[in-house]
Amino acid sequence: AQSVSQHNHHVILSEAASLELGCNYSYGGTVNLFWYVQYPGQHLQLLLKYFSGDPLVKGIKGFEAEFIKSKFSFNLRKPSVQWSDTAEYFCAVNSPNTNAGKSTFGDGTTLTVKP
Amino acid sequence: NAGVTQTPKFRVLKTGQSMTLLCAQDMNHEYMYWYRQDPGMGLRLIHYSVGEGTTAKGEVPDGYNVSRLKKQNFLLGLESAAPSQTSVYFCASGGTGGIGELFFGEGSRLTVL
Repeated sequence: AQSVSQHNHHVILSEAASLELGCNYSYGGTVNLFWYVQYPGQHLQLLLKYFSGDPLVKGIKGFEAEFIKSKFSFNLRKPSVQWSDTAEYFCAVNSPNTNAGKSTFGDGTTLTVKP
Repeated sequence: NAGVTQTPKFRVLKTGQSMTLLCAQDMNHEYMYWYRQDPGMGLRLIHYSVGEGTTAKGEVPDGYNVSRLKKQNFLLGLESAAPSQTSVYFCASGGTGGIGELFFGEGSRLTVL
């Protein structure tokens, strides 16, 4: 079965600091990878996704993530965070070969950006 | 463009009461899902559907039932609510054979006393 591990449960940064959130998954086959963001009181929305091709993917609001197959990782990065990036971030994975279209989510990382 | 709509947004139940959460999507997606979100536990899949008239169990199905009588609607039922079912429930839908991104509703906060 797939599993997703997010290493940091709560990250606190000052504005303009750089961000990296870790995500590792357990499945060894072909995977599709996602980062979702949930702003306070809102629903989850897609930040970025990786299906194939360039392992460095860019998403909305200046976020990017790098897929490293050998490390089973898909870490999220942003060079300079803003107060408005305060939110909960979820890494998710699904596989076109198994699990009948089910996505597995990590436990989430809460990011607090201090102004 | 509504996307995924959930009703109700908030509900308080007493132990043993029943209720139904409704999810509606207007994107013609085949796949629909019900997740629950609890602090520190991320999103856990309750039930899902790969098409009209089909449902399947996720990782935490006990105490819940679902129905997908119409493609655009996915209902989540609690027959006899328990305090352990206090949570925020999210409905999601997806196309692309279920391997694409998910589109989420705004959530339904349920409290069981």
